[in-house]
Amino acid sequence: GENVEQHPSTLSVQEGDSAVIKCTYSDSASNYFPWYKQELGKGPQLIIDIRSNVGEKKDQRIAVTLNKTAKHFSLHITETQPEDSAVYFCAASKGSNYQLIWGAGTKLIIKP
Amino acid sequence: GAVVSQHPSRVICKSGTSVKIECRSLDFQATTMFWYRQFPKQSLMLMATSNEGSKATYEQGVEKDKFLINHASLTLSTLTVASAHPEDSSFYICSARFGGGAGDIQYFGAGTRLSVL
Repeated sequence: GENVEQHPSTLSVQEGDSAVIKCTYSDSASNYFPWYKQELGKGPQLIIDIRSNVGEKKDQRIAVTLNKTAKHFSLHITETQPEDSAVYFCAASKGSNYQLIWGAGTKLIIKP
Repeated sequence: GAVVSQHPSRVICKSGTSVKIECRSLDFQATTMFWYRQFPKQSLMLMATSNEGSKATYEQGVEKDKFLINHASLTLSTLTVASAHPEDSSFYICSARFGGGAGDIQYFGAGTRLSVL
């Protein structure tokens, strides 16, 4: 079955710098890749997603890139701010049952 | 994004009590809802997929008689933890699939922290 690996498990960056989180997936049939942000004690919040027919998508300070050949996708956050501190999860889905296969999560720490 | 409401946010109960958690899609109809369990500092673990009007599909290792799921309408799914025990203490989160042209998008509730004494 599908497997999603996420790295790093913890990422600490200086406020204002960029952060990059990477995920790889195993099933080439996967066609939908969302990123979620989870703050402590809360449910995951969808921040950006990308489908397999697109290579890059951007929303203000957040961008996602997808390399289908290499089967990996990345989350890029520019000009990081303290409120970006959270756990970020990547996921993959191939739409047949709409189930998401989750990465292990990355704890992002923004240092003031 | 679409709004999913989950209640209660926190439950503290005695061992042997049954606990019901509600998940509602407030501004869209959700033919599919999902229930997850999350342990501290871990990823989300899918417990079951709930389709409106039919029986839920449980993941391997999840006891369907312990975790009862009812998806009676297009906007409401409930998870009942039957006769809860301390090992059932966890963070439970629901999500609802937003359909239409973008069928894969899942929106999540805020989660329910269950503590069984």
